Amino acid sequence: AQSVAQPEDQVNVAEGNPLTVKCTYSVSGNPYLFWYVQYPNRGLQFLLKYITGDNLVKGSYGFEAEFNKSQTSFHLKKPSALVSDSALYFCAVLPRGNNRLAFGKGNQVVVIP
Amino acid sequence: ETGVTQTPRHLVMGMTNKKSLKCEQHLGHNAMYWYKQSAKKPLELMFVYSLEERVENNSVPSRFSPECPNSSHLFLHLHTLQPEDSALYLCASSPGTMNTGELFFGEGSRLTVL
Repeated sequence: AQSVAQPEDQVNVAEGNPLTVKCTYSVSGNPYLFWYVQYPNRGLQFLLKYITGDNLVKGSYGFEAEFNKSQTSFHLKKPSALVSDSALYFCAVLPRGNNRLAFGKGNQVVVIP
Repeated sequence: ETGVTQTPRHLVMGMTNKKSLKCEQHLGHNAMYWYKQSAKKPLELMFVYSLEERVENNSVPSRFSPECPNSSHLFLHLHTLQPEDSALYLCASSPGTMNTGELFFGEGSRLTVL
């Protein structure tokens, strides 16, 4: 069975500092990997995805994510956090040839001014 | 403005009521999804429709009944719900008939069951 782990409930970071949100997964094969963001009272928005190729992928709003096959991780990063980055971040995994996009439980990010 | 519109945004219902959630997508997509979002839990995939045919039914209780009359509209009919069904119900759509992982979500319908 596929699973996505986002170990921290909340990540607090000072504005201007680097932001990292962790994600590990347990899926057979080489799945597609995704990050979504949910701002308060809104639906989820797609941020970025990893399909193949370069392990560092860049997405919207200055975010990037690093794929590590040996650690089965796909951590989300931003070099300098903004207060407006405060939101709920979801990691998701889609096994190849499968219709089921599986999400983690989400991480609340709080950027402190 | 989101391309996926959900109504109502908030719904309070008793356990004996019958109500429906509506989702409409203006993106010309072929697949539509219902997800359940509960606090501090992974999003739960409930149903998937591709070209108006149900392709996934993720062991959801029969008190939830989906309907997809065309590729732009998706309903979730609710009947004799339980308090633990209180959650945010998210509708999403995607362009192709197979899920590529890039979903477009609505803002959700917040359901409270008393």
